[in-house]
Amino acid sequence: DQQVKQNSPSLSVQEGRISILNCDYTNSMFDYFLWYKKYPAEGPTFLISISSIKDKNEDGRFTVFLNKSAKHLSLHIVPSQPGDSAVYFCAASARASNTGKLIFGQGTTLQVKP
Amino acid sequence: NAGVMQNPRHLVRRRGQEARLRCSPMKGHSHVYWYRQLPEEGLKFMVYLQKENIIDESGMPKERFSAEFPKEGPSILRIQQVVRGDSAAYFCASSPPEGEGETQYFGPGTRLLVL
Repeated sequence: DQQVKQNSPSLSVQEGRISILNCDYTNSMFDYFLWYKKYPAEGPTFLISISSIKDKNEDGRFTVFLNKSAKHLSLHIVPSQPGDSAVYFCAASARASNTGKLIFGQGTTLQVKP
Repeated sequence: NAGVMQNPRHLVRRRGQEARLRCSPMKGHSHVYWYRQLPEEGLKFMVYLQKENIIDESGMPKERFSAEFPKEGPSILRIQQVVRGDSAAYFCASSPPEGEGETQYFGPGTRLLVL
């Protein structure tokens, strides 16, 4: 039972354009969402998060949008840079459950072409 | 401020041996999590620990796997009698105490190869 899904295994965009990565979830108890970026042979690096009480959070070139009714979130990167090429994971947690565990999607490989 | 540290970075074991993976959380963090990533998959939660306590081990296999976070020293993930299916990247993450933030920060991982 995949509670967090990233349906696009890969995405390719031109440098300077917008990258949009999508994530869907099924568990309505999830109330905190995060995006991580991962390079090969390294650990995931935290990018940005959003609480379910918000529908948008912005940090520099990165913006996360949350649509609770659709159980969908997206990460926008503007402008995209070649150094953004990596695997991006979305993750969700149900803070009320007190377990702290994150449920990850399968990841989307982003390639930004110069 | 050093990040989450894991060692070893790479570990090779033969079937039947034991694997010990160590994790030192970020300074000031009191919560430790272990995740496993199999090839071509996302990260899967294994266990959540605080000092001397296992809070949630719902993702741990029932046999051969154990974890601890002692009062002093790093957290240890121990795999007894390893099998080829245990080959994976094991990541540790840490987060601050309650009320000080919820984001989990990850270490570089230990890549376990079972021959």
